[in-house]
Amino acid sequence: GAGVSQTPSNKVTEKGKYVELRCDPISGHTALYWYRQSLGQGPEFLIYFQGTGAADDSGLPNDRFFAVRPEGSVSTLKIQRTERGDSAVYLCASSAGLAEHNEQFFGPGTRLTVL
Amino acid sequence: DAKTTQPNSMESNEEEPVHLPCNHSTISGTDYIHWYRQLPSQGPEYVIHGLTSNVNNRMASLAIAEDRKSSTLILHRATLRDAAVYYCILRDRTQGGSEKLVFGKGTKLTVNP
Repeated sequence: GAGVSQTPSNKVTEKGKYVELRCDPISGHTALYWYRQSLGQGPEFLIYFQGTGAADDSGLPNDRFFAVRPEGSVSTLKIQRTERGDSAVYLCASSAGLAEHNEQFFGPGTRLTVL
Repeated sequence: DAKTTQPNSMESNEEEPVHLPCNHSTISGTDYIHWYRQLPSQGPEYVIHGLTSNVNNRMASLAIAEDRKSSTLILHRATLRDAAVYYCILRDRTQGGSEKLVFGKGTKLTVNP
């Protein structure tokens, strides 16, 4: 079946602009996660949704970052007033919910470049 | 989440076994040990997990020390496709424990033909 998809695959923007990154999780997965990965580093947690609500947003770096999941499926990560330091690969993952290992399935990521 | 320590890099030859170590000396009794790997230009993928006993699946084996302060991911016959960054992650499975994954830098595995 279809895995997690993310669009766009690449996004180049200018400093100060607004961007939206989209994630389509695996159908039926109730949990959705956003991570970002800088070059040479492991992924860094941003936010986790259980259904429509953000269950843990402790990883959002500041109030320029916001994410929504209005119908409990597709999610959008929104970044306002982008800065060069926001350049990274933004990864989305989904899982079936609470289980012993709660395997997370990752998408290919969106590479964001802020000029 | 408790921290893990892994070597930055390791090398192996194709079709030979690979043992990837992970130290987690501050592991708690409710922490599961998870391994994910990230192939070049892809998102991470789940490999295996365990609590106390050794585990086997189609991808790998996980050997957990008796005191649980360390574990080893075993690839029985490395292939070129196994070249990736391998992450050892602890996850607290108690009620109210976070569902997030806390990644370190992982071990970059190079497989030589």
